[in-house]
Amino acid sequence: EAQVTQNPRYLITVTGKKLTVTCSQNMNHEYMSWYRQDPGLGLRQIYYSMNVEVTDKGDVPEGYKVSRKEKRNFPLILESPSPNQTSLYFCASSLQGARTGELFFGEGSRLTVL
Amino acid sequence: GENVEQHPSTLSVQEGDSAVIKCTYSDSASNYFPWYKQELGKGPQLIIDIRSNVGEKKDQRIAVTLNKTAKHFSLHITETQPEDSAVYFCAATGFQKLVFGTGTRLLVSP
Repeated sequence: EAQVTQNPRYLITVTGKKLTVTCSQNMNHEYMSWYRQDPGLGLRQIYYSMNVEVTDKGDVPEGYKVSRKEKRNFPLILESPSPNQTSLYFCASSLQGARTGELFFGEGSRLTVL
Repeated sequence: GENVEQHPSTLSVQEGDSAVIKCTYSDSASNYFPWYKQELGKGPQLIIDIRSNVGEKKDQRIAVTLNKTAKHFSLHITETQPEDSAVYFCAATGFQKLVFGTGTRLLVSP
């Protein structure tokens, strides 16, 4: 089954404790992206990747890091989480890139930073 | 960069009524306008999209219209059903990315 898998789905952590949210897709997509969803703000892009070893900032990259060492994986790293990073996070992938092709989303990771 | 505004933020209708959600965008270079539906506890899923060379597209009970001159596009759902209840996002292309609207929560009451 074609899918984007995120882990963990739910996480409660404390300020400053490094964490990684993993994302994996099995569709051989080149484009991958991370979004955060906050009430009243919609989906805002954090980082995206056009291909292996190619990543770039989205609209809200502060406090986040990403890497793309393999085509299928695109982890989101919070080196020192803060309460304002409490949010619902989505990973997405696309065959053609976000400008013209369908984005396939994971089921989301709800993160709470205390 | 691209900015997308979406209205209304919430919409309540009776089953069988029509629902219309409207979006405006700022970048005249945008050429791809998808709509996503997000059900409770799930990720958004593409339901329909339209490209700039087309004014209208229909898929069963769902239609999207695009007015490039006015820079706005709309989602129309006819004969709404309870399973249409969800959050709907419009989006427009920016540089190497989609820019999403803030979402519309649609509630269809039986």
